[in-house]
Amino acid sequence: GAGVSQSPRYKVAKRGQDVALRCDPISGHVSLFWYQQALGQGPEFLTYFQNEAQLDKSGLPSDRFFAERPEGSVSTLKIQRTQQEDSAVYLCASSLGQGSTGELFFGEGSRLTVL
Amino acid sequence: GQNIDQPTEMTATEGAIVQINCTYQTSGFNGLFWYQQHAGEAPTFLSYNVLDGLEEKGRFSSFLSRSKGYSYLLLKELQMKDSASYLCAVRSQGAGGSYIPTFGRGTSLIVHP
Repeated sequence: GAGVSQSPRYKVAKRGQDVALRCDPISGHVSLFWYQQALGQGPEFLTYFQNEAQLDKSGLPSDRFFAERPEGSVSTLKIQRTQQEDSAVYLCASSLGQGSTGELFFGEGSRLTVL
Repeated sequence: GQNIDQPTEMTATEGAIVQINCTYQTSGFNGLFWYQQHAGEAPTFLSYNVLDGLEEKGRFSSFLSRSKGYSYLLLKELQMKDSASYLCAVRSQGAGGSYIPTFGRGTSLIVHP
């Protein structure tokens, strides 16, 4: 597609439920980032992939959060046993690579509400 | 760690000029970005600075001083549609050796008629 696509756009989960958020980056983009954005805040870094390799997962808040990008294209962010504090917009961004300006192209985000 | 500071909110009048400041403290600096984010939408790229000086792009300009850890975004001839959040992001080397953009909390700009 022309841009970064994320699904679902909205997800309501009961506390304790597992959720999976999908990101389809721009074709050919090597770098893929996941960010978490709470209301009124800037995006907080979660994890970074270069192709299929997860090179940095230092921002994942707990071991309930897991991300993968098995074929170096589509990525999935999984949150197990969701808690209310997980409620946020999860943004995926891709870029050509670490070189050049490294401009990030963001998807529309997946808004997660945990009840 | 990273420390990025920008004002929470600013207001300005249509047609005027506004300057949004961003200060940062980091190691391994590798560039500074400005993004615009309208409510409920994805951030969109505005500018990138890696060397000191001013980058101009239409009504938007961005300035960087690496020695002072300081940048600003200048918006001229303000329009109502410029009402949005403006995010400053610093790219630096992360834990895994890769370059990771870290965002400030954003400055909410309100443009009045």
